[in-house]
Amino acid sequence: DMKVTQMPRYLIKRMGENVLLECGQDMSHETMYWYRQDPGLGLQLIYISYDVDSNSEGDIPKGYRVSRKKREHFSLILDSAKTNQTSVYFCASTQGAGDEQYFGPGTRLTVL
Amino acid sequence: GEKVEQHESTLSVREGDSAVINCTYTDTASSYFPWYKQEAGKSLHFVIDIRSNVDRKQSQRLIVLLDKKAKRFSLHITATQPEDSAIYFCAASGNNYAQGLTFGLGTRVSVFP
Repeated sequence: DMKVTQMPRYLIKRMGENVLLECGQDMSHETMYWYRQDPGLGLQLIYISYDVDSNSEGDIPKGYRVSRKKREHFSLILDSAKTNQTSVYFCASTQGAGDEQYFGPGTRLTVL
Repeated sequence: GEKVEQHESTLSVREGDSAVINCTYTDTASSYFPWYKQEAGKSLHFVIDIRSNVDRKQSQRLIVLLDKKAKRFSLHITATQPEDSAIYFCAASGNNYAQGLTFGLGTRVSVFP
């Protein structure tokens, strides 16, 4: 059963706190992504990972960093969270460019 | 970079009729055009895609058309059913891994009896 998981599903943090969002996939996909979804802005690409320790900035990387130490796990880190980082964050994975992306269930992050 | 414009923000269709969602893109190098469906409060679910080497693809009640000259692609949902009600996103990408997907803003489709 091909699956992308995300933890936690809901998170409330105060401005300035650190945030760790975790994503896992069981398909041995090389490429993984982090997106955020905001009303009126659609989905925006934050970071891409091509494999372990091989990451690249997406369209809106400022304020975020990522970590991929195992192929099946991809983490998104917010150092000192800001209120404008309140959003729904989606992780996705794919076997390759031009292939279907599988999305996780999302993490709803609120920064107060 | 690539920009994708999704022309209809909302669509309301009678059950059994067809719904058409139109998208345009800017990067002539884009070659992969997937569509995703998002039901209320849920994640995105792939529904159909088309690659630049064809101009039409059908999967059951879904038809995707691609016009490369006009840089336009569209999703046709035929014989709509209540379970088709959702937000549909078009997206585009090239063959370059680094680009990821660029999404449109979504179209909320409502199917009424």
